[in-house]
Amino acid sequence: GQNIDQPTEMTATEGAIVQINCTYQTSGFNGLFWYQQHAGEAPTFLSYNVLDGLEEKGRFSSFLSRSKGYSYLLLKELQMKDSASYLCAVGSYNTDKLIFGTGTRLQVFP
Amino acid sequence: EAGVVQSPRYKIIEKKQPVAFWCNPISGHNTLYWYRQNLGQGPELLIRYENEEAVDDSQLPKDRFSAERLKGVDSTLKIQPAELGDSAVYLCASSTSRSTDTQYFGPGTRLTVL
Repeated sequence: GQNIDQPTEMTATEGAIVQINCTYQTSGFNGLFWYQQHAGEAPTFLSYNVLDGLEEKGRFSSFLSRSKGYSYLLLKELQMKDSASYLCAVGSYNTDKLIFGTGTRLQVFP
Repeated sequence: EAGVVQSPRYKIIEKKQPVAFWCNPISGHNTLYWYRQNLGQGPELLIRYENEEAVDDSQLPKDRFSAERLKGVDSTLKIQPAELGDSAVYLCASSTSRSTDTQYFGPGTRLTVL
């Protein structure tokens, strides 16, 4: 089966850097997604990794290590508006599904 | 470009009543998903359509849930009768083709069953 683990909650200070980790177990790995979800809103796409390494997109970067079943989302220069839940989701060729983790709720304080 | 549209945004019903949710995906997206998201959890897939065909409904509680996508565009998800445990946010998403392509979500319908 598939299993995804990510921390339930994290806190950080405005202007700081935070790293949200995600570990997964799956067969037929076919990519890892990060989504941002503000309270009461829809998940919005942040990043996609299918090969090992770092993908950078502005203040957000995402890293993948397929051999370790590990990814992280790095948020730099944190802003108050970054307070949200961050969902890690893993795709599988075998199940042809995207499985979501429970999400990490990030709170940014002034 | 318009995103995924869902209605209603909120619905409050009493248990045993029926309820229906509507979704219009992004234009040109062949694959449509219905997810259920409980508080503090990630979305869980209920059903996936490719065009008008339901290709994965293994997680849909078929005794009370039904869905259709008659012309391969809009979709409706129905619950009849609703139970207290059905209270959740029902999210619709769409993607261009395969289920592991980037999925784009609608705002969701927050259902409260009293």
